[in-house]
Amino acid sequence: KQEVTQIPAALSVPEGENLVLNCSFTDSAIYNLQWFRQDPGKGLTSLLLIQSSQREQTSGRLNASLDKSSGRSTLYIAASQPGDSATYLCAVKVPGNQFYFGTGTSLTVIP
Amino acid sequence: GAGVSQSPSNKVTEKGKDVELRCDPISGHTALYWYRQSLGQGLEFLIYFQGNSAPDKSGLPSDRFSAERTGGSVSTLTIQRTQQEDSAVYLCASAGTFTDTQYFGPGTRLTVL
Repeated sequence: KQEVTQIPAALSVPEGENLVLNCSFTDSAIYNLQWFRQDPGKGLTSLLLIQSSQREQTSGRLNASLDKSSGRSTLYIAASQPGDSATYLCAVKVPGNQFYFGTGTSLTVIP
Repeated sequence: GAGVSQSPSNKVTEKGKDVELRCDPISGHTALYWYRQSLGQGLEFLIYFQGNSAPDKSGLPSDRFSAERTGGSVSTLTIQRTQQEDSAVYLCASAGTFTDTQYFGPGTRLTVL
């Protein structure tokens, strides 16, 4: 069974810093990997989706990379802002159309 | 445009009662997912609907859980004889036919006393 791990569980950074969130998965047989953010009391918002054949995706200040063979993905956030404070989750899609989610990294950007 | 909506937003029930949770997906989305998010844990897949195909029920934790999707749109998740361990946030997501980008609803917070 696929297991998805996110480290660290929590992270605090001062505003303006660049930061990296990590996601690892145990089975490289994935279709794609997605990064989401979740604000308190709300659902998830999709940030980036990387197909298994891709190496990275970029959207604004966000850049996600995927190394399928090593079972790793990173989400890079440039010039962090207080509005980036949220929980970030990664999820992999496996054969059978199921998604496996990590437990998330809680990010706090300090003004 | 309208996103995914879920109702109720909060539900408090007594142990042993049945509950129904509703999900209205984005119009035209053929895929619909139900997840459960317990405190401090990741999202747990429950069930997946895709068009008119038979649903993937492999994530349902027990036979007390069931879900329907009527007319390829609205879905209802039913939990019978609720237990305290069923307390969690239940999230619904929908996706279009040719994309895996999921759009999530705000969730229903279920508390079983």
